[in-house]
Amino acid sequence: AQSVTQPDIHITVSEGASLELRCNYSYGATPYLFWYVQSPGQGLQLLLKYFSGDTLVQGIKGFEAEFKRSQSSFNLRKPSVHWSDAAEYFCGVAGNNRKLIWGLGTSLAVNP
Amino acid sequence: SQTIHQWPATLVQPVGSPLSLECTVEGTSNPNLYWYRQAAGRGLQLLFYSVGIGQISSEVPQNLSASRPQDRQFILSSKKLLLSDSGFYLCAWSPPGDRGLNIQYFGAGTRLSVL
Repeated sequence: AQSVTQPDIHITVSEGASLELRCNYSYGATPYLFWYVQSPGQGLQLLLKYFSGDTLVQGIKGFEAEFKRSQSSFNLRKPSVHWSDAAEYFCGVAGNNRKLIWGLGTSLAVNP
Repeated sequence: SQTIHQWPATLVQPVGSPLSLECTVEGTSNPNLYWYRQAAGRGLQLLFYSVGIGQISSEVPQNLSASRPQDRQFILSSKKLLLSDSGFYLCAWSPPGDRGLNIQYFGAGTRLSVL
């Protein structure tokens, strides 16, 4: 069955520190992978996506993610976190019938 | 460019009252449309999706229904709200015929409180 796992429910980092949010997927074919960010009380915004080609993809707001097929992972990274990065982050994989399969999200808090 | 509008932003309704949330998309034709509900700490639950006018797929049995009366309009309804219908409702769209890539774009959401 297709699924997405975000192992970390909540992460706290200090401003300026590096960040890595984990995402593991289960999908039989070549996955189309996404990361979205949700600020409190807002809709979701697409950070980046992987369809094919270079396994390191760059997104908005200084984020990047690396697709590792051998590990079924698509981890999100940022070298230096800003206080405005505090938000909920969702990983997703394109499933069948025009639907996305979502992880449960990781809540990021940033300490000043 | 494409935009998605969702309203109202906030709604407080008594138990047993009806519900109508509206979502419209501009700048595209024949989009795929989605309604999600987000409860605290429980991620995104897909409620309905539509690939065309009058074509609605329901993902979970519930007290809600959806309709697509026009190409770019998606409505979420209930005849009688329950306390458990409280939550954050999100509308989204994705381009038609995108070879399964299914990039979804979200509205700003509606916070529904049923009291």
